[in-house]
Parts: sequence; C-alpha cells; structure tokens
Amino acid sequence: DLQLTQSPSFLSASVGDRVTITCRASHGINSYLAWYQQKPGKAPKVLIYATSTLQSGVPSRFSGSGSGTDFTLTISNLQPEDFATYYCQQLQTFGQGTKVEIK
Amino acid sequence: QVQVQESGPGLVKPSETLSLTCTVSGGSIISSRYFWGWIRQPPGKGLEWIAYMYYSGSTYFNPSLKSRVTISVDTSKNQFSLRLRSVTAADTAMYFCASYDISGFFFDNWGQGTLVTVSS
Repeated sequence: DLQLTQSPSFLSASVGDRVTITCRASHGINSYLAWYQQKPGKAPKVLIYATSTLQSGVPSRFSGSGSGTDFTLTISNLQPEDFATYYCQQLQTFGQGTKVEIK
Repeated sequence: QVQVQESGPGLVKPSETLSLTCTVSGGSIISSRYFWGWIRQPPGKGLEWIAYMYYSGSTYFNPSLKSRVTISVDTSKNQFSLRLRSVTAADTAMYFCASYDISGFFFDNWGQGTLVTVSS
C-alpha cells in the first residue's frame, strides 16, 4: 500500500518567509499528486493538482514540484492567511499533514 | 461551480449504522468528470479516504473499511449516500463529501463537513 510521509510535521515561520513542505511516497508514483490547505473547522481546499498545476483562484505564491517519490509544496512570501495545515494526496492516500504556525 | 453538502445525524450509538447523505448542486451527479466521495477526519487527526463512486454505480472502498461501508447514488435527487455499519467510538469524526476530479485525481469541491459522534 502507498504511504505518503510529509516533512516536517510542524513548522514555525514568519510572515514573508519562504516555506517548503516535502511529501515522500513509499514507492514511485505518477504525477497525480495534489496539495490541500485546511484551516481549523473548515474543509480542505485544493491548492495544487498534478504536482504543479495551480487550482483556479489560488495565489501564485503557492507552487509545487517533484517526481518519482519526492514532491514539494513551496509557499513564497508567507502571508498571515497561509497559517494552516497542509496535506498531500495521491489517488486515495493522504499524507499525515504539516501544520504551519506563526513564529 | 459544483457544490456539495452533507446531512445526517450527528450522534450515533455504538454498534448501530451511521448514515449520511450528500446533496450535489450547481451541476449534475451524472457527470463523466467526477467520482463522488467520502473522506473523514477524527478530531485532531488527519484525513482518511472512505470510498467513492461513479454515478453509474462503480464503487471503490478503503480496504480497512470495506466490510462495513455501503455507498449509493440517487440520480433523481442528485444525491449520494454513505452507510457505515457497526460503528464504534473510533468512527467518531468529521465526515466530508467531495467531488473527485477524474482528470486530475484530486478532490476539488468539498462540503463543509458534518461531525458524527459515536456514543451511547
């Protein structure tokens, strides 16, 4: 069974920082990897799909890359509204999440 | 823009059946673009895919839940449903329904979620 491991599980950052979250697959996967943002009490919201395609309406400071087993979500110029938990997903499998908090 | 919304009881007794319905609006459930799915999230924990289905009836289940889960679609009402049998406290979670875009294999439209607590 596929496992997706995100790192770090928690990170503390400041407004304006560049943040990178990694999602590592237990075996090589295709490019259909998505990233979601979830705020407390809310449903997840898709940010990126197919590794690097930005969902409509998502700010361009979010970007995704990767291939094989290693994928990354980068948030450049972190904004106050970006403090949330982020999940990667491939087919039916989700990563365990990365919580981004204010330093 | 497709929207989905969960409905159903917020409290279920242990050993009973959890039943939820998801109503689709802004588009037809008869769509070649989407599967229709359920995801849950226990309090303070991560996301777990439960199942999804195509409007024609093809179904796909999380192996860890498959023996207890039924999903169905009612095209006349533009709804799909989840039934989870023999629930325990471990099934307490926020339950989300969502559309699953088949072209990119991602969940693009989510309901707000409904909290189901299993307790006597």
